[in-house]
Parts: sequence; C-alpha cells; structure tokens
Amino acid sequence: DQQVKQNSPSLSVQEGRISILNCDYTNSMFDYFLWYKKYPAEGPTFLISISSIKDKNEDGRFTVFLNKSAKHLSLHIVPSQPGDSAVYFCAATSNSGGSNYKLTFGKGTLLTVNP
Amino acid sequence: DGGITQSPKYLFRKEGQNVTLSCEQNLNHDAMYWYRQDPGQGLRLIYYSQIVNDFQKGDIAEGYSVSREKKESFPLTVTSAQKNPTAFYLCASSGGQLGEQYFGPGTRLTVT
Repeated sequence: DQQVKQNSPSLSVQEGRISILNCDYTNSMFDYFLWYKKYPAEGPTFLISISSIKDKNEDGRFTVFLNKSAKHLSLHIVPSQPGDSAVYFCAATSNSGGSNYKLTFGKGTLLTVNP
Repeated sequence: DGGITQSPKYLFRKEGQNVTLSCEQNLNHDAMYWYRQDPGQGLRLIYYSQIVNDFQKGDIAEGYSVSREKKESFPLTVTSAQKNPTAFYLCASSGGQLGEQYFGPGTRLTVT
C-alpha cells in the first residue's frame, strides 16, 4: 500500500513559467512533509519542508502548499529554470508516533524545463 | 567540509558473492539510513540506525545486513540471498527530530 503518491511520473514546462508538482498521502499520522530534488546518479538534496500546523511555506522560488483535509501537498516553482530539471520526490513522516526517523517517499516526478 | 561519503561510486560483482557498501558521515548525526532506488521507483528503506550499536529493519531488509559500530559509519552488506541486488544504493543521515535527511552520492551496484 503506497502511503505517499506522486501520480504524475513526468511534467514538462517552459522556462519562466510555473511548475506545479503534486503529492497525495493516505496516512493521517503524517505531520511533516519534505520535498527532495534528485539529479541522475546523484543523491537527493533537501529542498523545502512543511509542518502540518502550516498550510504554506516559501523559500525563494519554491513554495509548498499543504491541504490537510484533502491529504494533498504541492510544490510550486516559479519562475522555472532549465537547472530545475530533475526528479522531485515528496516524502512524509510522523513526529508523533515514535518513528520520527523514518521517511516515506513517493515514486518521484521527472520535471523537464525547456529553454 | 561536512557531508556523507559513499564508496565506491560503481561496483560490479558476480552472482553469489557478498558485497559491502561503505557509508561515512562527519555531520555528527545520530541516525543513518540505507535506501535503494530502482528505475521508476521511489526510495525504499532497507535498514536504519538511530544510535550506535542499534539498527532496525526497513521495508525491504531481506538479503541485506548492516552494522553500526561507530557513529560515523554504517556499512551495508548485500548478501547472496538478495534476489535482485542490482540497484542504486543511497545512504543518508539525520541529526534532528524533524526528519530532514542528508544523502550521500550513491553507489551503483551491478551483479551479473
């Protein structure tokens, strides 16, 4: 049973436009969410996170939105740049269940930003 | 520079051989993790360790073993019992409660 789902395997956008990557989760115990960016043959790098007490967190060109009632989060990148082309992973964890060291990852979305 | 190192970058082995992947961190993090990534898949947790001399199985621990004798090191052994060992292996560490994990560059293991 996949607890974190990224239903779009790929997304293509034009440089300068907005990229929106989506993530859904099923586990109500998840209360902290993270986005990672990964280039081929490299380890993922942490991008941005959000706690369930917030509905938005912004860091430069990156904004994450959380809709707890829908169990949905999204990552907005604006403006998109060719260097943003990578696989983006959504991850979730529960800080209240004693297993706050484990992250559950989605399968990732390949973002391609075309010049 | 603080970070996580994994060696080697590429590793080739014959079927039936055990192989050990190295992971070292100098971030002073308590927790360390091993994941594998397969094409079209997310990151699947193999083993994790919250503290020295302690570790727990992740979601796909069968055919793997680990040790955590030092805070800085968390080697992963891929045994001959692992049915599909060819994959990209990632090591990570974390030092806080909020779940942010920092990843090494990965090791691509090919078993033929």
